[in-house]
Formats: sequence, structure tokens, C-alpha cells
Amino acid sequence: EVQLVESGGGLVQPGRSLKLSCAASGFTFSNYYMAWVRQAPKKGLEWVATISTSGSRTYYPDSVKGRFTISRDNAKSSLYLQMNSLKSEDTATYYCARHRAGITPYYFDYWGQGVMVTVSS
Amino acid sequence: EIVLTQSPTTIAASPGEKVTITCRASSSVSYMYWYQQKSGASPKLWIYDTSKLASGVPNRFSGSGSGTSYSLTINTMETEDAATYYCQQWSSTPPTFTFGSGTKLEIK
Repeated sequence: EVQLVESGGGLVQPGRSLKLSCAASGFTFSNYYMAWVRQAPKKGLEWVATISTSGSRTYYPDSVKGRFTISRDNAKSSLYLQMNSLKSEDTATYYCARHRAGITPYYFDYWGQGVMVTVSS
Repeated sequence: EIVLTQSPTTIAASPGEKVTITCRASSSVSYMYWYQQKSGASPKLWIYDTSKLASGVPNRFSGSGSGTSYSLTINTMETEDAATYYCQQWSSTPPTFTFGSGTKLEIK
């Protein structure tokens, strides 16, 4: 059974940093592109970052580019999101998600339960 | 950047009723993907490659469309189908993933 378990969320002040982790199990982690998707309270879904199988390629929307860094440790089947210079608008539930199998990521076929990040003074 | 516009924003349907949710893209896309999210839960992949049902999705659901217009249809609404549905598309250069704003489906 595919499982994605996020951790590391919490309350953080504007301008500070936070690092999220996602522990994956139930599949060969190194074979899949992985991603982070967030959802602000009572709002829709927003893609935040994607990383290739080896970690050599990363992709971000303009809203987080230069502030967030996605990374992975295939030996530990773990995904990370380093978030710097946090803003109030980064307040959201952050989901770890697996991209579909194959070299083209297209969509997200499994999601974690999410972890809440609140940016407030 | 391709923008996805979903309609309606909210819809209420009675059990047994047919329901259609529309997703329009600002430019032509090759495929559309749909997710179901129930209150307090994570999103679930529901439909992929425009019309293929994800594992475990009841066959009262269907997806269709092409170009800039796509839809998710429930042939006969059931109470368990109450949820928010999101469409999503993928652009390749550079890879970006865009979601629609969601359609909240309620039971009447």
C-alpha cells in the first residue's frame, strides 16, 4: 500500500524558515517523480514543487521560486521541502504527492494526509 | 500560463440526478485530470487522461472533452459523491501543473 506521511509543519514567523519532510513507503520511491501541493484554508489546490527521480531536475511556480527548495533522499525514501523567507500567504496545508509512473509526470496519483504550516507573528 | 476555469462553483443535486461539471482551459490542452476531495481529507485522483477512471472510482462517473473544454459527469448522483472536484492540467515547457478553482458538489 502506498503511504506518504508528512511532518515538520507548525507555526512560524514571517521571514523565517521551515523544512517539511515526507516519508514514503509501499512503492519504489526512486522510480517516481515527487511533488508538493498546498491548499490555503478554505481555498483550492496549488502546485508548489516537483522533483525528478534522481533529484537532478526541480520545478517551481513563480510564487515560490527562489524561496522554496525541493529535495529527496532515495536511500531513505524521503522527500523534503525547505521553505525560506516565509510569508503569510504561504499559510496552507502542504501535501506530499506522487506523480504518475513514467518519465513524464502529468498528474498526481497518491497524496499524503497533509501537514499544516501557519505563518504568523 | 494556462488558466483553468471550472463551472459551476457550487452545485446541489438530488440522489439519482445527473451531474456535469465543466472545466475550460485558456488554451488547448491534451488531457485533463480530475481529483475528488472530501471535507477534511486529502485529494484523490479520480479521472486521468481525460476519461480513464482511477482505481476504485464507480463507473457512474465519466470524463470527456478535448481542446479547451472538458467535463466530469456523474450519471446518477449518490450521497457519497458529495465533495469538491478539481480539474488539473500539465504543461511541459517548463513543467507546470495548474488546478481549477474547484466545484463543490452538495446533496440536495
